[in-house]
Amino acid sequence: LAKTTQPISMDSYEGQEVNITCSHNNIATNDYITWYQQFPSQGPRFIIQGYKTKVTNEVASLFIPADRKSSTLSLPRVSLSDTAVYYCLVGDMIGGSSNTGKLIFGQGTTLQVKP
Amino acid sequence: EPEVTQTPSHQVTQMGQEVILRCVPISNHLYFYWYRQILGQKVEFLVSFYNNEISEKSEIFDDQFSVERPDGSNFTLKIRSTKLEDSAMYFCASNGNTIYFGEGSWLTVV
Repeated sequence: LAKTTQPISMDSYEGQEVNITCSHNNIATNDYITWYQQFPSQGPRFIIQGYKTKVTNEVASLFIPADRKSSTLSLPRVSLSDTAVYYCLVGDMIGGSSNTGKLIFGQGTTLQVKP
Repeated sequence: EPEVTQTPSHQVTQMGQEVILRCVPISNHLYFYWYRQILGQKVEFLVSFYNNEISEKSEIFDDQFSVERPDGSNFTLKIRSTKLEDSAMYFCASNGNTIYFGEGSWLTVV
């Protein structure tokens, strides 16, 4: 499973755009990149998932360069409620007999949004 | 958003007691997981389950742990004889090309 590296913490202010970059130099051909958000005492919540280029949904965008060795989660106009831990995870989501599709969590990035 | 539901949300048990944590994965998902998170630490993989059998397990998942899907909908994690160090948040997850997590079950062993 590809290891990921992301900043331990980031600070931002309400209304700003936040970009969190994750490195995954050993990403495999079948691996997808998935970002989760976790609040204290809650389960990781799916934010966005992508394979290459750019993916956008109603809460975030995910930018993946052509070499796929990194990815950037972009949160537009953050609010205080976006204060959380954000995890970048890489793995073969499809699973199957030879690949369980499990995810290996790192420490994540603790985002603190200030008023 | 699809939902994985877990019960109980919180359980306090005495050391040595058996505990069963229950999960209802997302229907039509085929891969299921249990993870745990000790307070202040990383989320840790315990076990993955596919086609009614364990497909992978971590070092944490020793003989005290077992999983089953007794009725085709529920997915359970059993801890036979709880230890103090089993106190953690336990998350169930299911995978249908995207892995979704439940809200967790807090287990406190006293």
